[in-house]
Amino acid sequence: GAVVSQHPSRVICKSGTSVKIECRSLDFQATTMFWYRQFPKQSLMLMATSNEGSKATYEQGVEKDKFLINHASLTLSTLTVTSAHPEDSSFYICSARGGYNEQFFGPGTRLTVL
Amino acid sequence: GQNIDQPTEMTATEGAIVQINCTYQTSGFNGLFWYQQHAGEAPTFLSYNVLDGLEEKGRFSSFLSRSKGYSYLLLKELQMKDSASYLCAVNFGNEKLTFGTGTRLTIIP
Repeated sequence: GAVVSQHPSRVICKSGTSVKIECRSLDFQATTMFWYRQFPKQSLMLMATSNEGSKATYEQGVEKDKFLINHASLTLSTLTVTSAHPEDSSFYICSARGGYNEQFFGPGTRLTVL
Repeated sequence: GQNIDQPTEMTATEGAIVQINCTYQTSGFNGLFWYQQHAGEAPTFLSYNVLDGLEEKGRFSSFLSRSKGYSYLLLKELQMKDSASYLCAVNFGNEKLTFGTGTRLTIIP
């Protein structure tokens, strides 16, 4: 099956710093990737859709200048949380779209901002 | 709207069968997915339904009725490791998936 990796799996940073999260499709090419965040005991909230070679499409209410997304190749998308604050602490999950619009998820990144 | 409804929590007994229902608005429907998510982990794909009927995969089966906007996930011979959240997700004709709130299933001995 399709494998998606995410790095780092866990990060702790100080308020005001920026954090970059990488999402890679390991055994297939993903023209479309998605970024989600999930708060405890809640479902996934889509932040943005990342298409290779073009600008990401952000969901309503998601600040594009705060959550920078770059999909530089068919196997890599990155999410940078700029000037992170404690309220940005969450579980960030990426996924890659398959041929039937199914999504294969990475293992997630737990971000804690102190 | 594209509301997807599923029960918030369910409890079932080890060795038994449980059915988790999901209803959705039918306009634009283009496929339904079930995912399993253990606490602190990412979702894993369980099943995909785009035509009416039952899809069986080992202990897990998923059913779809497009006219009724209804699906269920059936888990048989429940094991303790099946305690997890089960997410129903629908594709409404674009590249995105819309997720339900998830059903937190607890298996008791």
